[in-house]
Amino acid sequence: KAGVTQTPRYLIKTRGQQVTLSCSPISGHRSVSWYQQTPGQGLQFLFEYFSETQRNKGNFPGRFSGRQFSNSRSEMNVSTLELGDSALYLCASTGQANTGELFFGEGSRLTVL
Amino acid sequence: QKEVEQNSGPLSVPEGAIASLNCTYSDRVSQSFFWYRQYSGKSPELIMSIYSNGDKEDGRFTAQLNKASQYVSLLIRDSQPSDSATYLCAVNPYNFNKFYFGSGTKLNVKP
Repeated sequence: KAGVTQTPRYLIKTRGQQVTLSCSPISGHRSVSWYQQTPGQGLQFLFEYFSETQRNKGNFPGRFSGRQFSNSRSEMNVSTLELGDSALYLCASTGQANTGELFFGEGSRLTVL
Repeated sequence: QKEVEQNSGPLSVPEGAIASLNCTYSDRVSQSFFWYRQYSGKSPELIMSIYSNGDKEDGRFTAQLNKASQYVSLLIRDSQPSDSATYLCAVNPYNFNKFYFGSGTKLNVKP
């Protein structure tokens, strides 16, 4: 069974640009969550999608957005990039509607110059 | 106050010893608790979940939960150098898939 797939794995952008990250969950998993990981703040919840609906949202500015498609694949977008957006962005899927155990992808490492 | 607190470490133990990792959480309504292991440069992987007060054992790992004290711990028996990693405590307070993670405890098992 294939795991969670994230693309791209690495990317470099400059301030003011925007970026789109993609996540394909484990087959059959309908919940997809996004997390930002930085050395200073650790793992922070961005948002969660279930059946194409955003169910939960973390405390991030509106520059961070996401969506989920009918095949459960998800994308997140960050607009007007800032230096502080440099981080590892992790996508996780779960097969349970609630209290599910998270299965993480390898992450997309974003560097903003 | 952070939702989940962990000592950042590093925690150094000799090979074969018991490693004890601790975590406290702030939200009393929390129902689900998890321990994830993250090797350097890798993504977190689930190693234990616990939902009820008491101990839960899985091989060399034992998770302990005390909801009254809002405390979760992970014991690793017979620690191996391959256990050297950062251990993340995670809490799911409202049984939605919105997890709060601690900052992680770095464990170093010395041969």
